[in-house]
Amino acid sequence: GAGVSQSPRYKVAKRGQDVALRCDPISGHVSLFWYQQALGQGPEFLTYFQNEAQLDKSGLPSDRFFAERPEGSVSTLKIQRTQQEDSAVYLCASSLGRGRDRGHNEQFFGPGTRLTVL
Amino acid sequence: LAKTTQPISMDSYEGQEVNITCSHNNIATNDYITWYQQFPSQGPRFIIQGYKTKVTNEVASLFIPADRKSSTLSLPRVSLSDTAVYYCLFSGSARQLTFGSGTQLTVLP
Repeated sequence: GAGVSQSPRYKVAKRGQDVALRCDPISGHVSLFWYQQALGQGPEFLTYFQNEAQLDKSGLPSDRFFAERPEGSVSTLKIQRTQQEDSAVYLCASSLGRGRDRGHNEQFFGPGTRLTVL
Repeated sequence: LAKTTQPISMDSYEGQEVNITCSHNNIATNDYITWYQQFPSQGPRFIIQGYKTKVTNEVASLFIPADRKSSTLSLPRVSLSDTAVYYCLFSGSARQLTFGSGTQLTVLP
């Protein structure tokens, strides 16, 4: 596809369940990011991949959060033993991300997955 | 992390020019100033990016003074479809984007 896609778009989980959120970045994009967006707030960084390497996971709120990108394309964000405070929209973004100043690269965002934990 | 300050909300009428100003006192030398737009139930979308002076593209202009401690996003002749949240942020050597709370722009008929 032409843009970043995410699935599912909506997910309802009972407290304690595990969930897996998928991101399909734009083909050829080296960099992939996950953000968490609470209601009424701006997105907050969770983790960053360059190809298959997870170079920064400083934003993951707890060890219940895990992300992978095994082949350098599709990525999965997994949340174990979900809690109510995990309810948010989870956004994935990708960028060409080449070069030293990769922060200047435009990030292309998917529509997000809205997670509701009951 | 670098912090930006922008108004929480703004109202405008269709056809008017809208200017949203953002302050960023601690911007670093290699930081660019970038603006994103977000509609409800969508991810943010890149609008414009600049380093200094003025940048213009097909949808907006970005004005950055010489000291780079602030920037102004200018949207010419807004329409109802420009109602959205607008984020001002830095993008530089840091890989991730640091969003603030943004400015909710409401365009009225």
